[in-house]
Amino acid sequence: ETGVTQSPTHLIKTRGQQVTLRCSSQSGHNTVSWYQQALGQGPQFIFQYYREEENGRGNFPPRFSGLQFPNYSSELNVNALELDDSALYLCASSKQGSRFDSNQPQHFGDGTRLSIL
Amino acid sequence: AQSVSQHNHHVILSEAASLELGCNYSYGGTVNLFWYVQYPGQHLQLLLKYFSGDPLVKGIKGFEAEFIKSKFSFNLRKPSVQWSDTAEYFCAVKPGYSSASKIIFGSGTRLSIRP
Repeated sequence: ETGVTQSPTHLIKTRGQQVTLRCSSQSGHNTVSWYQQALGQGPQFIFQYYREEENGRGNFPPRFSGLQFPNYSSELNVNALELDDSALYLCASSKQGSRFDSNQPQHFGDGTRLSIL
Repeated sequence: AQSVSQHNHHVILSEAASLELGCNYSYGGTVNLFWYVQYPGQHLQLLLKYFSGDPLVKGIKGFEAEFIKSKFSFNLRKPSVQWSDTAEYFCAVKPGYSSASKIIFGSGTRLSIRP
């Protein structure tokens, strides 16, 4: 089975720009979660999408937004980039029976490393 | 706010030494607990998890963890480490109230094994 794939692997942007990161979920998975991992820190939950709808959000401002498509792939969009947005962005997919079935194992991708100059 | 504390940022051991990595969390209700591992150049992988039942959980590669509710702890152990255990280890907690998979991660412990 194909695992979780993320693109691009690396990206350099400047302050104020906008960025879109992409994630293809593992085959058969319908749920995607996004995390931000700053250097030296653990991943922080940004939000989750279940069957194309947002299903929970962490403490991130509205300029962090997302989408999930009918094939369950997902995008993370960040507007008005700030220096502190420099981080590794991780996508994790899982197969949930419902939006409340939150105990399914998550499978992580390798991440996109975003650098803001 | 809920948080997860991992006491050691970097642990260095010799092969065959015993390992214990500490993890404490701050949430008084029902929790699901996880340990994830990230080997050099690889993605995060689930090592073991606790949802309910026996508080001593066995995971892959000889790792185990013990949930002690009174201490809000979920320490990771391995009786004899190998060089291949060199990795970063993350403890994580999912509060029981959360309908989404909002997992709260600790800041990680880097484990280096001397051959």
